[in-house]
Amino acid sequence: GAGVSQSPSNKVTEKGKDVELRCDPISGHTALYWYRQSLGQGLEFLIYFQGNSAPDKSGLPSDRFSAERTGGSVSTLTIQRTQQEDSAVYLCASSLRRWNEQFFGPGTRLTVL
Amino acid sequence: GIQVEQSPPDLILQEGANSTLRCNFSDSVNNLQWFHQNPWGQLINLFYIPSGTKQNGRLSATTVATERYSLLYISSSQTTDSGVYFCAVVSGGYNKLIFGAGTRLAVHP
Repeated sequence: GAGVSQSPSNKVTEKGKDVELRCDPISGHTALYWYRQSLGQGLEFLIYFQGNSAPDKSGLPSDRFSAERTGGSVSTLTIQRTQQEDSAVYLCASSLRRWNEQFFGPGTRLTVL
Repeated sequence: GIQVEQSPPDLILQEGANSTLRCNFSDSVNNLQWFHQNPWGQLINLFYIPSGTKQNGRLSATTVATERYSLLYISSSQTTDSGVYFCAVVSGGYNKLIFGAGTRLAVHP
């Protein structure tokens, strides 16, 4: 079946602009996660959704970052007033239930000029 | 929080050689996964192995949860095995994966 998909695959934006990143999880997966990978920080957790609720937002780096999930499916990660340090690959993952195997999408490479 | 350490950080092999990658973790885990990140950045699932031993072709993995380590074995390595191998765990009441720093593998023909 289809895996996790993300769009866009690449995004170049100017400092101060807002961006939206989209994630389509595997159908039927109730848990959805956002991570990011940057050169200096490795792979780090951002936020976890169970259904449409986000019980763990502990990894969001600032209040410029927000995320939502609708219909227990698609999720959008929004970064407001982007900064150069936001440049990274943003990865989405989903799992059938909490603590189950997580499957990752191809990522969105964000470059902030 | 839990610490995840991978070794070695870098590994260079000739095609056909075998290798063992290690992952140490500092607390009990609910989930442990091994991934291969290919040159295009995609994280490919290798094993979901919070305990026990699994094999998939030339790859196998063992997790000894009581001693807090996991091993990934690659036999008869191929150039396509090149990339970064990550170990990641879920621990405690959390659901997030905590990643190690990775082992960068280069297999030369």
